[in-house]
Amino acid sequence: AQRVTQPEKLLSVFKGAPVELKCNYSYSGSPELFWYVQYSRQRLQLLLRHISRESIKGFTADLNKGETSFHLKKPFAQEEDSAMYYCALSETSGSRLTFGEGTQLTVNP
Amino acid sequence: NAGVTQTPKFRILKIGQSMTLQCTQDMNHNYMYWYRQDPGMGLKLIYYSVGAGITDKGEVPNGYNVSRSTTEDFPLRLELAAPSQTSVYFCASSYSRGLATNEKLFFGSGTQLSVL
Repeated sequence: AQRVTQPEKLLSVFKGAPVELKCNYSYSGSPELFWYVQYSRQRLQLLLRHISRESIKGFTADLNKGETSFHLKKPFAQEEDSAMYYCALSETSGSRLTFGEGTQLTVNP
Repeated sequence: NAGVTQTPKFRILKIGQSMTLQCTQDMNHNYMYWYRQDPGMGLKLIYYSVGAGITDKGEVPNGYNVSRSTTEDFPLRLELAAPSQTSVYFCASSYSRGLATNEKLFFGSGTQLSVL
């Protein structure tokens, strides 16, 4: 069975500092990976997905199959990045997502 | 276009009471899901549905029931509420099974449920 692990429940950085939210997964096949974000008083929403190889709001994430990781990175954190971030995995052609435990990011002024 | 709508937003139940959490979507999505969110535990899938008339268990289905009589609606039923069911519940939907491609989940705003 697939599993997603986010080792940091809480992460606090200062504005302008780099930030990295860690995500590790276990899955025997070829996974599809996503980052979802929940800002205060807003709905959970998709931030980015690895197949798109996109940068959203300055965030990027690279799938490292050797290390089974999909860490989310941003070179210069902003206060508006403060939110709960969830890493999620879908089986290839699967119909449901498995979420990690979430990391609460706080960006201090 | 309202997206995914959940009601109620908040509810307090006594142990043993029953209730239904409503979820409806107006995007003609085939797939619908119920998750619960507990602090430090992430989101756990309770039940999901791949279309009207079809439902399946997720990771934590015990104590819950669902039905999918229409494409739009996917209610979650708690028959005998227990304190362990205190949580935030999220309904979500997606267009097709292609989550591995370009599909994504659209979430409702959540229902905060407390069982006392």
